[in-house]
Amino acid sequence: TQLLEQSPQFLSIQEGENLTVYCNSSSVFSSLQWYRQEPGEGPVLLVTVVTGGEVKKLKRLTFQFGDARKDSSLHITAAQPGDTGLYLCAGVQTGANNLFFGTGTRLTVIP
Amino acid sequence: NAGVTQTPKFRILKIGQSMTLQCTQDMNHNYMYWYRQDPGMGLKLIYYSVGAGITDKGEVPNGYNVSRSTTEDFPLRLELAAPSQTSVYFCASSYRSSGGAGNEQFFGPGTRLTVL
Repeated sequence: TQLLEQSPQFLSIQEGENLTVYCNSSSVFSSLQWYRQEPGEGPVLLVTVVTGGEVKKLKRLTFQFGDARKDSSLHITAAQPGDTGLYLCAGVQTGANNLFFGTGTRLTVIP
Repeated sequence: NAGVTQTPKFRILKIGQSMTLQCTQDMNHNYMYWYRQDPGMGLKLIYYSVGAGITDKGEVPNGYNVSRSTTEDFPLRLELAAPSQTSVYFCASSYRSSGGAGNEQFFGPGTRLTVL
């Protein structure tokens, strides 16, 4: 069983469309991170959220941490081909030191 | 700075063979991690280290061993390779423990291992 479930698993959209990726769990996390991974490379951190209800924006990307700190979402506005990649959420459970990674969402943006 | 480097990039092993995956970081990070990434399964933590001489098990440690004799190096050892260990292996490092703003993990480019 996965501690963090992401949906959808795969997403293929046209350039200019909006999309939302979800990261859900039944556990509470002290913080949650989003990474993007491109083929043949390691994940690269996009953002960390630490407060329930927190919203962070990174250009066209909007990240939200759920009020109960059990879930998170990533919204991309006007997707570009450069947004193509594997998006991973990762959380730290309260009292723990390690990151648990989600199952990943593979996004393809078609020009 | 080179960041986190891993060698080799690719390797094919026969069942029962042994090998060591190398990982080096030049950021003077105390924390280092080994993950494996299977298709559709995200990353799973194998072992981690909070400093030279200190290592601990992650979620999936069976079949692997690690050592941390220096701050820079964190090699991962496979003693008796099995097909179930076919995966992409990532090494990562961080300045502080996971979680919290600013506690970013920096990843290497990965080693793709196939066991036949």
